[in-house]
Amino acid sequence: DTEVTQTPKHLVMGMTNKKSLKCEQHMGHRAMYWYKQKAKKPPELMFVYSYEKLSINESVPSRFSPECPNSSLLNLHLHALQPEDSALYLCASSYSGLAVWNEQFFGPGTRLTVL
Amino acid sequence: AQKVTQAQTEISVVEKEDVTLDCVYETRDTTYYLFWYKQPPSGELVFLIRRNSFDEQNEISGRYSWNFQKSTSSFNFTITASQVVDSAVYFCALLPGGGANSKLTFGKGITLSVRP
Repeated sequence: DTEVTQTPKHLVMGMTNKKSLKCEQHMGHRAMYWYKQKAKKPPELMFVYSYEKLSINESVPSRFSPECPNSSLLNLHLHALQPEDSALYLCASSYSGLAVWNEQFFGPGTRLTVL
Repeated sequence: AQKVTQAQTEISVVEKEDVTLDCVYETRDTTYYLFWYKQPPSGELVFLIRRNSFDEQNEISGRYSWNFQKSTSSFNFTITASQVVDSAVYFCALLPGGGANSKLTFGKGITLSVRP
């Protein structure tokens, strides 16, 4: 299995809703990442988990809450989002959070629309 | 500070033409890693290649080739005999070798359109 999967593919939510994005990989990777990508822009790093511990938080607002239940799963819990949070949310994984030269493998993303 | 510049924003070619996507980077690290990713309209970023700063050998993979030149801080990507399926946004990215908290810096991306 050489892929990163993300669910759902599309999500529409209101500003008062609570929802979660899910990411899964079965490549034995120990580093997992959340990125946010606006249209016609490069991905922006949000969070990094290394060996299931949060190692980087790029000053992301608390309405985004990451969770890494185990080495294969990464969640992003969403609450009280704003319309400007509408974007493509990409998950990625790499072999080891310590071997930083390893390439990151990306999932297909979740297209989030906040109304 | 790390920086990746992809000066070309949009390129349009006719199928079977060769096309070169430019990438210039800036870093003070002596150890670093360079990447190219392809993002088709479906949204997924597809890893194409990784190069480390100590390996200046050019690489060819089918119709794809990469030219890494430390002297000019460039890591250019050439597609030979382009095809419609090559239409995508291409990102060049830089990862400094500073440890576990190193972060990938992306260029702004180049939108390649290949017309039949």
